[in-house]
Amino acid sequence: QLQLQESGPGLVKPSETLSLSCSVSGGSIATSSYYWGWVRQSPGKGLEWIGSFYYSGNTYYNPSIKSRVTISVDTSRGQFSLKLSSVTAADTAVYYCAAHLSLIDPFDFWGQGTMVTVSS
Amino acid sequence: AIQLTQSPSSLSASVGDRVTITCRASQDINSALAWYQQRPGKPPNLLIYDASNLESGVPSRFSGSGSGTDFTLTISSLQPEDFASYYCQQFNDYITFGGGTKVEIK
Repeated sequence: QLQLQESGPGLVKPSETLSLSCSVSGGSIATSSYYWGWVRQSPGKGLEWIGSFYYSGNTYYNPSIKSRVTISVDTSRGQFSLKLSSVTAADTAVYYCAAHLSLIDPFDFWGQGTMVTVSS
Repeated sequence: AIQLTQSPSSLSASVGDRVTITCRASQDINSALAWYQQRPGKPPNLLIYDASNLESGVPSRFSGSGSGTDFTLTISSLQPEDFASYYCQQFNDYITFGGGTKVEIK
C-alpha cells in the first residue's frame, strides 16, 4: 500500500517560488508502475490538477499553469517535488501529491495535503 | 480544456434518501470519468472509475452511470457517513475536476 506525505513551507511571499516535496513509502517511485502527480484545492473551492510524471517517461502539466510549474524526482530520497514560480494569492491552496496508474486512470493514492498560503 | 459541470452544487437530504449527482462534460470523454468523496480536512477518496466501476471496498449503495458527456453518481440510501463533498474527474484529455457537490444533512 503506497503512502504519500507532503512537506514544505506553509507561507510563501508573492512573486517567490513555492517548493514542496512528496515522500513515498510502501513502494518505489522508480520501479512502481505509477504516475506521480500534484493536485491543489483552493480554500472552499474545487480541485485542480497541476501535473504528473512517470519515472522513465514524460512529464505532463496542466496547460493553464504549465509556464510556472516544474515537477522533478529524487529517487535516492524516495521523493518528488513541485516548484511553482511567481506565486500570487490565487496560488493559496491545499497541495496534494497523488499516484495513479496512468494519465488515463484516476488517482488511487493521495497524501494528506499541505496548506500553502501566499502572503507578504 | 475539457470542462466538467456538476449539479447541484449543494443539496440537503435525510438518512435513507436516494441521492443523484450529475456531471456534464463539455465534450465527449467516452467513459473516462471517476467520482470521489471528500470529507472535511481529508484528501479525496476514489469511489467510481471508468464511469460505472465500483472501487474495491466502496459500499454497494454507490453507483455510477453514463458515457459520452452525461454522467450520474447515485447513492441509493444515504448513510450518516455519506455527508461529504463529491467530485467528478475526467481523464480523457489531461485531467480536470468538476466543481463539486456538497451533500448536507436536512
